[in-house]
Amino acid sequence: DAGITQSPRHKVTETGTPVTLRCHQTENHRYMYWYRQDPGHGLRLIHYSYGVKDTDKGEVSDGYSVSRSKTEDFLLTLESATSSQTSVYFCAISVRDRGFVGPSYEQYFGPGTRLTVT
Amino acid sequence: AQRVTQPEKLLSVFKGAPVELKCNYSYSGSPELFWYVQYSRQRLQLLLRHISRESIKGFTADLNKGETSFHLKKPFAQEEDSAMYYCALSGTGNQFYFGTGTSLTVIP
Repeated sequence: DAGITQSPRHKVTETGTPVTLRCHQTENHRYMYWYRQDPGHGLRLIHYSYGVKDTDKGEVSDGYSVSRSKTEDFLLTLESATSSQTSVYFCAISVRDRGFVGPSYEQYFGPGTRLTVT
Repeated sequence: AQRVTQPEKLLSVFKGAPVELKCNYSYSGSPELFWYVQYSRQRLQLLLRHISRESIKGFTADLNKGETSFHLKKPFAQEEDSAMYYCALSGTGNQFYFGTGTSLTVIP
């Protein structure tokens, strides 16, 4: 599992409240990602990070912000949760695979956080 | 623009039957293609990647650049193959693009 954990694993919150999800890795990987998983939409990238304090938007970034003050932690914040943000959130890291010629990366995923916004 | 298309949301096959999960992609450069699998309520895990040319759990996938496809195949489906399968593409900038997934059910 490449040392990736997510917290909390489950959360129920009310519309309008702020929510922060945490992704923690133990192996000092540079690239980290936040995805949301929804039926019919698959995995969609929310934000990603390529280093401490270096982040960028993904496909569905509206309503989300991220922070990365340490290599090992990547936080996803919903400033004011809405029901449309009910989803399963996965964190991932990107690991360079040295078994191939040229750069080749592989993603490893965290266990997921099931968020329900009522 | 980068895109990964999995046309089948649901796929059911009988145990022992062949299975093929379709994946088509669009990408202007030379992408890396992957298949990820997610068993019930577990994290996604890599099943195979095109550059390794491996067979994992009896699954194979061949990159067809002419048809821009990377279909996943297995000659004899097993019940334990029931899962959600995602095709993914990796391009430049270390970004990954995932398809919408195909839920495979193997009927005993």
